[in-house]
Amino acid sequence: KQEVTQIPAALSVPEGENLVLNCSFTDSAIYNLQWFRQDPGKGLTSLLLIQSSQREQTSGRLNASLDKSSGRSTLYIAASQPGDSATYLCAVRGGYALNFGKGTSLLVTP
Amino acid sequence: DTAVSQTPKYLVTQMGNDKSIKCEQNLGHDTMYWYKQDSKKFLKIMFSYNNKELIINETVPNRFSPKSPDKAHLNLHINSLELGDSAVYFCASSRETESRGYTFGSGTRLTVV
Repeated sequence: KQEVTQIPAALSVPEGENLVLNCSFTDSAIYNLQWFRQDPGKGLTSLLLIQSSQREQTSGRLNASLDKSSGRSTLYIAASQPGDSATYLCAVRGGYALNFGKGTSLLVTP
Repeated sequence: DTAVSQTPKYLVTQMGNDKSIKCEQNLGHDTMYWYKQDSKKFLKIMFSYNNKELIINETVPNRFSPKSPDKAHLNLHINSLELGDSAVYFCASSRETESRGYTFGSGTRLTVV
């Protein structure tokens, strides 16, 4: 059974810092990995989707990497802003279902 | 223009009642899902339909019954609601092709009192 772990569970940084969120998964037989953002009381917004054959994806200040063989992914956020404050969820797809981590709660202070 | 829409957004009901949550997607996706997000914010799959056929049915009480009248709609009916059913329920959709990502609805916050 796929298990997804996200570290750290919570993170507080001052505005402007670069930061890295970590995700690990136990079964490397995945189709893709998706990073989502969830704001309090809101739904999930897809940030980046990395196929199993890819090493990284970039969107603006966000960069996600994938090392399938070691079961790891990182989400790099450059020059963090208070608007980046949210919960970041990592999810891996091994079949139809997405398996989620418990998320990293990020607070960026002005 | 909403890609995956759920109704209602909020639902407050008494124990023992029966309620339904509706979901519709206009993305042309052929697979739809129900996820439950518990009080600790953990998201877990409940059901999935592919072209109106049930393909995932996790360990969920029989009081929960999904129904997919067509591939653009997936509803969730809950009988005899219990306090522990209080959670946020998310609908999602994707293409069958594994390379595609998921699109989620904005969620239905169910509170059972």
